[in-house]
Amino acid sequence: AQKVTQAQTEISVVEKEDVTLDCVYETRDTTYYLFWYKQPPSGELVFLIRRNSFDEQNEISGRYSWNFQKSTSSFNFTITASQVVDSAVYFCALSVSPLNAGGTSYGKLTFGQGTILTVHP
Amino acid sequence: DVKVTQSSRYLVKRTGEKVFLECVQDMDHENMFWYRQDPGLGLRLIYFSYDVKMKEKGDIPEGYSVSREKKERFSLILESASTNQTSMYLCASSSWGGLAGAGEQFFGPGTRLTVL
Repeated sequence: AQKVTQAQTEISVVEKEDVTLDCVYETRDTTYYLFWYKQPPSGELVFLIRRNSFDEQNEISGRYSWNFQKSTSSFNFTITASQVVDSAVYFCALSVSPLNAGGTSYGKLTFGQGTILTVHP
Repeated sequence: DVKVTQSSRYLVKRTGEKVFLECVQDMDHENMFWYRQDPGLGLRLIYFSYDVKMKEKGDIPEGYSVSREKKERFSLILESASTNQTSMYLCASSSWGGLAGAGEQFFGPGTRLTVL
């Protein structure tokens, strides 16, 4: 079974601070995919990134960066110079390869509990 | 643009009522999912479907059923609504990633269901 843990329930920062959201995952599969989603106050989850298990390169997209470390089973998300518009609930999620799961997982996502990020002006 | 729509943003029902939540996607995606979201619990998968008329239980299927008669439409049914089914319900769809793995899921805006 898969498990994703986001230990930080809520984080509060002041604008322009850097903030890191932690994500730790558990899986026995050797091929898997990790995701981050953002849920703004409007409610609709927005896809941010997908990484596969055989690519440990860190990724940067503007003010967002992701640090994937298989050795610690972590996939952390950092927002640099946070802005009020970054206020949202952020979810980390895990999907195992359909082949490893006998062809029946079909991209099922296991979500973490979510981290509520509030950025104050 | 992928679009996933849900029939209602807010719904109030009484205990014992039969409730239908509808989801439609316009990108010809093979996979469709129903989640419920509760504070502190994240999103939990109720049911998913990988093809028309095909369905599989997720992590919390009890008290729910689903229907997928057309590729673009996936319905969640609460046979007899109970107060503990008060929650936010999110529908999602994705393409079959095949050997490349799971495609990202695209979510609808959610339906906030209150059962009195």
